[in-house]
Amino acid sequence: SQTIHQWPATLVQPVGSPLSLECTVEGTSNPNLYWYRQAAGRGLQLLFYSVGIGQISSEVPQNLSASRPQDRQFILSSKKLLLSDSGFYLCAWTGTGNTIYFGEGSWLTVV
Amino acid sequence: GQNIDQPTEMTATEGAIVQINCTYQTSGFNGLFWYQQHAGEAPTFLSYNVLDGLEEKGRFSSFLSRSKGYSYLLLKELQMKDSASYLCAVRGLSSGGSYIPTFGRGTSLIVHP
Repeated sequence: SQTIHQWPATLVQPVGSPLSLECTVEGTSNPNLYWYRQAAGRGLQLLFYSVGIGQISSEVPQNLSASRPQDRQFILSSKKLLLSDSGFYLCAWTGTGNTIYFGEGSWLTVV
Repeated sequence: GQNIDQPTEMTATEGAIVQINCTYQTSGFNGLFWYQQHAGEAPTFLSYNVLDGLEEKGRFSSFLSRSKGYSYLLLKELQMKDSASYLCAVRGLSSGGSYIPTFGRGTSLIVHP
């Protein structure tokens, strides 16, 4: 069966520290992968998407970056976090079907 | 680019029917999704429409009119557990040439006794 996992689930990081969120997908190949961010009480903002290994498209300019080192692995990173980076981060994937599959989400609090 | 609009908040009474509207503008439409999201959790899939008309699934129905750029989610026999945020998402053509889903801000539904 198809599953998606992301970690860590929660983290508290000081301003200026680095960030790494990881997402892996199982049970499918060549998925489209996405990173969304959701600020408190807001909708999902698309940050990055990837249609293949090494292919990253950025939707919003920011101090975050994404990488796809393997077909089913998607990583969200930052070298120096800002207070405004706090939020709920969601990894997702789509295939040839008609569903967007989400990971469990990662709560980031920058202090 | 894509633009998706839905009401910020709605309230309804337990047992009633509520309709949540979503209007959109997109390039290269390739499907519309509705998701339910409870606070602090990941969204869960409710429905998908790509052709005009009504899709019914239990207490939930979703309607699409592509010519009007309009969809609605209909919830019947409301229950307290239906209190959640409802997200409308449209899969459209990105500037990079791929079809990607873009979400609206979500509609917070409050069901009261």
